[in-house]
Amino acid sequence: QLHLQESGPGLVKPSETLSLTCTVSGDSINSENYYWAWIRQSPGKGLEWIGTIYHSGITTYNPSLNNRAAISVDSSKNYMSLRLDSVTAADTSLFYCASLRVGTTHVEVWGPGTVVTVS
Amino acid sequence: DIEMSQSPPSLSASIGDRVTFTCRAGQFIRDSVSWYQQRPGKAPKILISSASKLESGVPSRFSGSGFGTDFTLTISALEPEDLATYFCQQGYLIPWTFGHGTKVEI
Repeated sequence: QLHLQESGPGLVKPSETLSLTCTVSGDSINSENYYWAWIRQSPGKGLEWIGTIYHSGITTYNPSLNNRAAISVDSSKNYMSLRLDSVTAADTSLFYCASLRVGTTHVEVWGPGTVVTVS
Repeated sequence: DIEMSQSPPSLSASIGDRVTFTCRAGQFIRDSVSWYQQRPGKAPKILISSASKLESGVPSRFSGSGFGTDFTLTISALEPEDLATYFCQQGYLIPWTFGHGTKVEI
């Protein structure tokens, strides 16, 4: 059974870069059955899709992030990463990593989430 | 972006009640709607995909319907563990977007 776990610093200073990792267990991050996403949740904006990385390595991002986000995969460590540049207080959120089965557009498995505060 | 509007924002119901939530998309999205349940302090959990497909392991008291712009999630008989917030999400166009949720109080 697929299991995801986010990790990263809980506190980031304004204008700096937020970096999170999502460790995947139960399957390979290179599995052709899944693709991967980051989603965040805040009281003000609710649930917001950040971006997606496909098995091919192709990424798509929410335009609202103004090209500040980057998602990558490290196959050797079986994890996915999120980098968010030039953060502001508005980026303070609970960040989730997620897996989606290929051919679908709904999140099948969510990580428990990690809170990041920008201050 | 496709706006997903959920109503009501919250509702109070009793155990055994039939409860229905609605989600309206800002444009045609075919059947590309999923519903999630988020219990307090937990990550969301998929309930329904493709508007009406019950996901594996989800109790049969949950059902979904709709096509185009208007969608509903129904709980046929409310259970205590259904205390949660329910979100809809469209997967028709990127960026995928979520509704703001309906909070169910028992």
